[in-house]
Amino acid sequence: DAGVIQSPRHEVTEMGQEVTLRCKPISGHDYLFWYRQTMMRGLELLIYFNNNVPIDDSGMPEDRFSAKMPNASFSTLKIQPSEPRDSAVYFCASSFGDTIYFGEGSWLTVV
Amino acid sequence: GQQVMQIPQYQHVQEGEDFTTYCNSSTTLSNIQWYKQRPGGHPVFLIQLVKSGEVKKQKRLTFQFGEAKKNSSLHITATQTTDVGTYFCADDQTGANNLFFGTGTRLTVIP
Repeated sequence: DAGVIQSPRHEVTEMGQEVTLRCKPISGHDYLFWYRQTMMRGLELLIYFNNNVPIDDSGMPEDRFSAKMPNASFSTLKIQPSEPRDSAVYFCASSFGDTIYFGEGSWLTVV
Repeated sequence: GQQVMQIPQYQHVQEGEDFTTYCNSSTTLSNIQWYKQRPGGHPVFLIQLVKSGEVKKQKRLTFQFGEAKKNSSLHITATQTTDVGTYFCADDQTGANNLFFGTGTRLTVIP
């Protein structure tokens, strides 16, 4: 398996623009997680899904953030409108059982 | 809320020296997981500890869970340059891999 696949790997966008991050989890995994990593706040869980259903979105910082999982092989994290403080690495991860597998991350810079 | 602190925040060691990072929680930990993140990379699962007082070894790495399940440690014997990275502990409070990450310890190994 290719692992968790995220796109884009890098994105630079202007403040106010919409950003969509994409994730393909490992086939057969029933949990999908979105994390954000910054120097100031470390690794934070934003939202996670079980069998495509959002379970806990309490980590989503604001209404500007939304996440969907329309099927077992695809999820999106959308930021609209984006702000400079959203600049971070966004990781998608999936799991089946105890081990979580992280994607390589999407490096977002909002200028 | 829960706080999971790791000490030290940074550690520089000479190649061949030992290294230990400590993970301390303000609340009782459920299952503790350890991850390694190489510079510019993504977190990679190392191990999970479940039982009070549990000790697990992976080659030069020794993981320990405190008797009171409020702390954990990772010890690396005879560090190598390949050990460079940030080591995170994470608490799996819900048992659904809904992880709360510690602050991390960044290890630098000087050849």
